[in-house]
Amino acid sequence: NVLTQSPGTLSVSPGEGASLSCRASQSVNSNYLAWYQHKPGQTPRLLVYGASTRATGVPDRFSGSGSGTDFTLTITRLEPDDFGVFFCLQYGSSPKTFGQGTKVEIK
Amino acid sequence: EVLLVESGGGWVQPGGSLTLSCEASGFTFGHSAMHWVRRPPGKGLEWVAGINWTGGNLGYGDSVKGRFTISRDNAKNFLYLQIHSLRPEDTAFYYCAKDSTEGYVYGFLDHWGLGVPVTVSS
Repeated sequence: NVLTQSPGTLSVSPGEGASLSCRASQSVNSNYLAWYQHKPGQTPRLLVYGASTRATGVPDRFSGSGSGTDFTLTITRLEPDDFGVFFCLQYGSSPKTFGQGTKVEIK
Repeated sequence: EVLLVESGGGWVQPGGSLTLSCEASGFTFGHSAMHWVRRPPGKGLEWVAGINWTGGNLGYGDSVKGRFTISRDNAKNFLYLQIHSLRPEDTAFYYCAKDSTEGYVYGFLDHWGLGVPVTVSS
């Protein structure tokens, strides 16, 4: 199941919002889709699983939505620390597959 | 705090072998499935291999089947990846990751290590 993320890069000012897309080539079983944030020198951080359930400790500025083949990660009121590469993972079928990532830059 | 620390990466010639290790702490290692994931330079993440909590159920990505072997030692809290017949296209950062479930197929990856580089070149 190939995951395609868009846009490739997003440049956003603090306080603005951002919308990241993850589209699957086939329907993701049980909406088993997760979102991660990865910053240089750090481990990838789980943000959302099950398409819309926020992981422990993740601020409510991050929200996941979508079903089937179209999924979105929305970040509201971006903070300077919200930069990095955001990628999606589908775990509803084997093998698990990842999107290629969206790089979020803070203006 | 969950901690996953990979080791064993480095430079190896094509056709060579390497064993990666991942030391786990901060959770009950024997209750979680585990995975190896890699990122080749300039490319996206690729799932490499997964192993269930007992080590009795394994899975591999198509590009590594027959060359890579995943294993675990629940007594020592270690995950391993033996890599044989290395190819230049195996050059990547290799990450150890913890599954959210005991089986490796339908769980998401809830914690990751920092990764370790493997370079295959003559």
